[in-house]
Amino acid sequence: EVQLLESGGGLVQPGGSLRLSCAASGFTFSNHWMTWVRQAPGKGLECVASIKPDGNEKYVDSVKGRFTISRDSAKNSLYLQMNSLRVEDTAVYYCARGGALEYWGQGTLVTVSS
Amino acid sequence: DIQMTQSPSSLSASVGDRVTITCRASQDISNSLAWFQQKPGKPPKSLIWRASNLQSGVPSKFSGSGSGTDFSLIISTLQPEDFATYYCQQYNSFPFTFGPGTTVDI
Repeated sequence: EVQLLESGGGLVQPGGSLRLSCAASGFTFSNHWMTWVRQAPGKGLECVASIKPDGNEKYVDSVKGRFTISRDSAKNSLYLQMNSLRVEDTAVYYCARGGALEYWGQGTLVTVSS
Repeated sequence: DIQMTQSPSSLSASVGDRVTITCRASQDISNSLAWFQQKPGKPPKSLIWRASNLQSGVPSKFSGSGSGTDFSLIISTLQPEDFATYYCQQYNSFPFTFGPGTTVDI
């Protein structure tokens, strides 16, 4: 059974940093694209960053230069390092498998507020 | 970036109804289109991938069609558990983008 479990969310002040983690199980992690998707309160869905099996990274313009996606196949884990956080980054952050986002975790809430 | 639109933005329906939701891409995305169902407080759930392929475990009352720029999701016989918000998503090119969602309520 495919499982994705996010952690690392919380309350942070504007300009601060957080590192999200996603523990994957039930599939061969190293073979799959992985993607971070966020959803602001009461809003729609936005793909934030994606990483190919070869480590090639992609970012949406609004987070370029501030967020870094990475993966550790030995630990079956996906990460999102978020720096220079803004109020508008407040959202539930989900990790999902693939470009077609076949499986999702339960999400972790990031709140950026003073 | 590829823009995704959906229509209608919301609809009211009854149990047993047939429902069609349409999705349009701002440029050709071939068949790189997925559909998701989301209920309040829950993560999205994959229904359809590659425009018409049913995700494992998803009931056959859901079906998808289309290619290029125009796509549809059909729910053949609406059941109480199907009242939710539905999103389309293109994964032809990054940034992968979603439609704004269609809320199906009673």
